Amino acid sequence: AQTVTQSQPEMSVQEAETVTLSCTYDTSENNYYLFWYKQPPSRQMILVIRQEAYKQQNATENRFSVNFQKAAKSFSLKISDSQLGDTAMYFCAFMMMDSSYKLIFGSGTRLLVRP
Amino acid sequence: DVKVTQSSRYLVKRTGEKVFLECVQDMDHENMFWYRQDPGLGLRLIYFSYDVKMKEKGDIPEGYSVSREKKERFSLILESASTNQTSMYLCASSLSRGVGQPQHFGDGTRLSIL
Repeated sequence: AQTVTQSQPEMSVQEAETVTLSCTYDTSENNYYLFWYKQPPSRQMILVIRQEAYKQQNATENRFSVNFQKAAKSFSLKISDSQLGDTAMYFCAFMMMDSSYKLIFGSGTRLLVRP
Repeated sequence: DVKVTQSSRYLVKRTGEKVFLECVQDMDHENMFWYRQDPGLGLRLIYFSYDVKMKEKGDIPEGYSVSREKKERFSLILESASTNQTSMYLCASSLSRGVGQPQHFGDGTRLSIL
């Protein structure tokens, strides 16, 4: 069975600095997708970034980028130039490349951006 | 933009009651999901549906059932609510065309069972 581990329950960062959130996963599959989702205090979960396992290039989305290490089964999220609006719970998630469409989530990291 | 709407933000019910949580999406998505979110546990899948009248159990289906009579609506039912079902419930939807489609979430329903 696939599992997703986020080892940092809470993190904080000064506004305008860079922070990296860790995620590791366990799977025997070769093809899959990885996601980072953000859940601000208002609670709606929104997609931050998506990575296809068969692509070696790390995904980027404005200030958000990932460091995808397939062999190490690691998928960290880097937030550059942190803003107060980045304060949220961040969830790493795994999806197999089959017809199930199911996501397996980590336990989340609560990020606080300090002014 | 995809809109996933959950009928209630907050709900308080009593032990033993039958509870209905409703979810509607407006983007003609085939797949719909119900999760519960608990601190330190992340999101856990209760049930999902990939078509009208089709449903599959997720990781924690015990004590829950679902209904999908129309494509846009997916209901979660707590047959006889218990205090251990106090939680945040999130509904999501996604396309089935193409793999790796992201899920889109509603605002969540914080359910308290007294």
